[in-house]
Amino acid sequence: QKEVEQNSGPLSVPEGAIASLNCTYSDRVSQSFFWYRQYSGKSPELIMSIYSNGDKEDGRFTAQLNKASQYVSLLIRDSQPSDSATYLCAVNDYGGSQGNLIFGKGTKLSVK
Amino acid sequence: SAVISQKPSRDICQRGTSLTIQCQVDSQVTMMFWYRQQPGQSLTLIATANQGSEATYESGFVIDKFPISRPNLTFSTLTVSNMSPEDSSIYLCSAGQGGTYEQYFGPGTRLTVT
Repeated sequence: QKEVEQNSGPLSVPEGAIASLNCTYSDRVSQSFFWYRQYSGKSPELIMSIYSNGDKEDGRFTAQLNKASQYVSLLIRDSQPSDSATYLCAVNDYGGSQGNLIFGKGTKLSVK
Repeated sequence: SAVISQKPSRDICQRGTSLTIQCQVDSQVTMMFWYRQQPGQSLTLIATANQGSEATYESGFVIDKFPISRPNLTFSTLTVSNMSPEDSSIYLCSAGQGGTYEQYFGPGTRLTVT
């Protein structure tokens, strides 16, 4: 069964620090990787997409992908209290129904 | 990115009744999906809503319980039929263009069955 694994947290970081969120996936042929942010009581919001090995930066967010290790991470620099949320990692379900994503259980981040 | 709206935003329903949730996208999209999210849990895909054909259901979900319509490229409905308290959950609609696998979510419908 295809899986996306994340530490459930909570991950607590002080304001201004770097938050590091990690995700591993089981399907070696996956090609598309996403990070969603979900505030309590709200729906998931897409914040980062990454498709090739290496780093992708967008403002304070950096996504890192290592397909050989089947590992994707999200770094949040200069963490703010407004970053406190659950972060969901998602991976395309290659071979599944077209367009499907497989979601991890999410990591709860608390910035204080 | 697409802007997605859902109606109703929340509802309280009695056991044995049915509720239809509407999902409207502000632009034509290839893919539309329906998810369920229990409190504190991750997302569970119910089905892919296919325009002009029957929805594709995931394991554990059946058409009789969760009939889905998608009459065009901007609109879909999910019906939760013959509801029981176990159906209490947040139901989310998402949309995407398929090529990039990016999905954008509606605000969700919070359903409570009593």
